[in-house]
Amino acid sequence: QKEVEQNSGPLSVPEGAIASLNCTYSDRGSQSFFWYRQYSGKSPELIMFIYSNGDKEDGRFTAQLNKASQYVSLLIRDSQPSDSATYLCAVNNGAGANNLFFGTGTRLTVIP
Amino acid sequence: SQTIHQWPATLVQPVGSPLSLECTVEGTSNPNLYWYRQAAGRGLQLLFYSVGIGQISSEVPQNLSASRPQDRQFILSSKKLLLSDSGFYLCAWSLGLSNQPQHFGDGTRLSIL
Repeated sequence: QKEVEQNSGPLSVPEGAIASLNCTYSDRGSQSFFWYRQYSGKSPELIMFIYSNGDKEDGRFTAQLNKASQYVSLLIRDSQPSDSATYLCAVNNGAGANNLFFGTGTRLTVIP
Repeated sequence: SQTIHQWPATLVQPVGSPLSLECTVEGTSNPNLYWYRQAAGRGLQLLFYSVGIGQISSEVPQNLSASRPQDRQFILSSKKLLLSDSGFYLCAWSLGLSNQPQHFGDGTRLSIL
């Protein structure tokens, strides 16, 4: 049983559009949620985290959390070619030592 | 600010050879430390984590081992590498509190010949 699921994509959006990335998780006890960006051949980089239901905005990025529906999403406004990367969703269910369960990622391509 | 160093960046090893990858964290005390492996085109697989010196938890049985000889040093080892050990190895740290994000090093790309 997969803990965290993401559409592998690829997701293609034109430059300047809104990219919407979705993630569902299976453990209702999950407490914290993270989005990482991973460029090809590079390590994951934390871009957003959210703990409470609702929206959290940081620049062009908005994370949305709905615990009742067990999904978390990431919106990227005014998408740029430099946003082209794989986006990993990670969930902490409060067990272990801050252990995160990662999805397999969604590959985003922003077309100039 | 905290930084994490991981080396080497790339490594090519023959089957059956030993392995030692090292990771160090600066700017924080008593971090949680993690080793992951990412196979080509796949997700992150947690291999080991540590909440303190000498405390190692293994998530996946395999021919790898980990050690934490100092507070901010984490080492991944193998006595005899297998072809299936190829991959991108990532070290990460987090604060020793609940619900904290993990921060990754630059990774080591390991190729087994």
